[in-house]
Amino acid sequence: SYELTQPPSVSVSPGQTARITCSGDALPKQYTYWYQQQPGQAPVLVIYKDSERPSGIPERFSGSRSGTTVTLTISGVQAEDEADYHCQSADRSGTYRVFGGGTKLTVL
Amino acid sequence: QVQLQASGPGLVRPSETLSLTCAVSGYSVTSGYYWGWIRQPPGKGLEWIGSIYHSGSTYQNPSLKSRVTISIDTSKNQISLKLNSVTAADTAVYYCARDPTNHDYGVYYFNYWGQGTLVTVSS
Repeated sequence: SYELTQPPSVSVSPGQTARITCSGDALPKQYTYWYQQQPGQAPVLVIYKDSERPSGIPERFSGSRSGTTVTLTISGVQAEDEADYHCQSADRSGTYRVFGGGTKLTVL
Repeated sequence: QVQLQASGPGLVRPSETLSLTCAVSGYSVTSGYYWGWIRQPPGKGLEWIGSIYHSGSTYQNPSLKSRVTISIDTSKNQISLKLNSVTAADTAVYYCARDPTNHDYGVYYFNYWGQGTLVTVSS
């Protein structure tokens, strides 16, 4: 089965830049999406189609892709950004949606 | 504003069938889009279960497909999930979400999520 790989955790100090990666063989063919999940809450879409930001999402959130790896970048990290981040994409045929294992972002 | 609310029994016995419904408000399920189910075991990541179009066509996670039935009730504006032969591994928070899949543009994601409902499988 198709899998997306994320690091389990990333730590960063306030004001610094956090980068969370997501790797998968089909990522050059399919868009990637990123969700932020606060404890006890439902996920919220923060990036769609690799690098687009939904309305209401701060400009410090951005996305990029290079080959089989996509990156969520949070510039000028704030304490409120501490959360779990999940990447999501589809298999090559677009039949199945798949999530990465999630990355816990800790703001030191 | 689209709102989704999943509901159902919080406790299911092993080997029985888990049944959940998702009430959709602020949007008619017949107006388009897929509608999906996603689950999250305690302390773990998200797992897509499946998605259904208003016509009734479905896509399902192959790892769960043999146990999953997803249906849509247009008269009640809701979708349903049935997962049979459950085990402790099916204990999770179950979310429903709107899935604006567009095959022509290669778009597959979830833009509105319900709050989720915890289902525990235990005797």
